[in-house]
Amino acid sequence: EPEVTQTPSHQVTQMGQEVILRCVPISNHLYFYWYRQILGQKVEFLVSFYNNEISEKSEIFDDQFSVERPDGSNFTLKIRSTKLEDSAMYFCASTSGTIKNIQYFGAGTRLSVL
Amino acid sequence: AQRVTQPEKLLSVFKGAPVELKCNYSYSGSPELFWYVQYSRQRLQLLLRHISRESIKGFTADLNKGETSFHLKKPFAQEEDSAMYYCALIGGNTGKLIFGQGTTLQVKP
Repeated sequence: EPEVTQTPSHQVTQMGQEVILRCVPISNHLYFYWYRQILGQKVEFLVSFYNNEISEKSEIFDDQFSVERPDGSNFTLKIRSTKLEDSAMYFCASTSGTIKNIQYFGAGTRLSVL
Repeated sequence: AQRVTQPEKLLSVFKGAPVELKCNYSYSGSPELFWYVQYSRQRLQLLLRHISRESIKGFTADLNKGETSFHLKKPFAQEEDSAMYYCALIGGNTGKLIFGQGTTLQVKP
């Protein structure tokens, strides 16, 4: 069964550094999402992406964040200048067809900002 | 405001006992509701969605619009049901999922 793939599984970085989290969605999917989960808290929506542009973003998704689908297969989340509070599990998800379809999640990237 | 509430952080039952994981939601309009499950060291995966009205792994969930609830039930818990369970709804026009806090289900032998 096809899966959403995320790399790396764990990323450690120094505060102020840029990080790029990578995702390969399922190949025929059209809608892409990033979520994050701070330890002990709920999974929170960050951004949705469709037709090569952001369709919605949350308040968390400020100017430090950006997303890109550079080559038709990868879907990346960039954090320009990481803060301690960016430490979290980041999940990528994708879905086919309509927005009401099932979202398939990657295994997540654990980001640790020191 | 769109919100999902799961009041229990932890639910601990013995094998064979009935299970009910509570979920309440706040949403104007007709919600699309889901239960996602995360087994230890595995990814989030869909357990069931309200429009399919099916039973998966013995679990069912009924949407009660009057009580704005979507509780997850299973008549006889199994040890392999131990996992984190998240109730979620689709909010807005872009398909974003709004999650509850999650409930850890622990089934003891």
